[in-house]
Amino acid sequence: KAGVTQTPRYLIKTRGQQVTLSCSPISGHRSVSWYQQTPGQGLQFLFEYFSETQRNKGNFPGRFSGRQFSNSRSEMNVSTLELGDSALYLCASSLVQGEPATQYFGPGTRLLVL
Amino acid sequence: GDSVTQMEGPVTLSEEAFLTINCTYTATGYPSLFWYVQYPGEGLQLLLKATKADDKGSNKGFEATYRKETTSFHLEKGSVQVSDSAVYFCALSFYGNNRLAFGKGNQVVVIP
Repeated sequence: KAGVTQTPRYLIKTRGQQVTLSCSPISGHRSVSWYQQTPGQGLQFLFEYFSETQRNKGNFPGRFSGRQFSNSRSEMNVSTLELGDSALYLCASSLVQGEPATQYFGPGTRLLVL
Repeated sequence: GDSVTQMEGPVTLSEEAFLTINCTYTATGYPSLFWYVQYPGEGLQLLLKATKADDKGSNKGFEATYRKETTSFHLEKGSVQVSDSAVYFCALSFYGNNRLAFGKGNQVVVIP
């Protein structure tokens, strides 16, 4: 079974631009979560989608948004990019919500904002 | 809020040495606890987990026991290999919630 895939793997943008990252979960997984990883703040939860609905949201500004499609694929969007948005963005999928679900992570998208 | 604390700083040790990485948590209620490992240039992989007090998670020679009385979930391995060099993250989540709260992570470097 294929793992979680994320595209693109690397991105360079300039301040003020917007960016869209994509995540394809493991087949059959309906929950997709997004995390931001930076050297200073570590791993921080952005949001979770389950059956096309946002179920949880972390403490990030409204510039960060996401959505999930009927095939469980998810996208996250960051508008009006700031230098501090440079990070590794990780997507994780899991089979169900309701149990202490094992989350499977993708390799991440590394975003550099200049 | 719920949080996870890992010991400060990288861990450098020789091959076949004993590894311990401390993890303590603060949470309202009884979370599930996890150890994830991140190899260079890769995403996170689940190493082991425990869902209730006194549970022991184990995988690939690594072990951790859920200690409710000390709110801890320390990771141990009896004899490390160079291939164990990676960053290790302790994390928690609650039943019905896939939101993981992570510790800062510990870089482990194993020297041949």
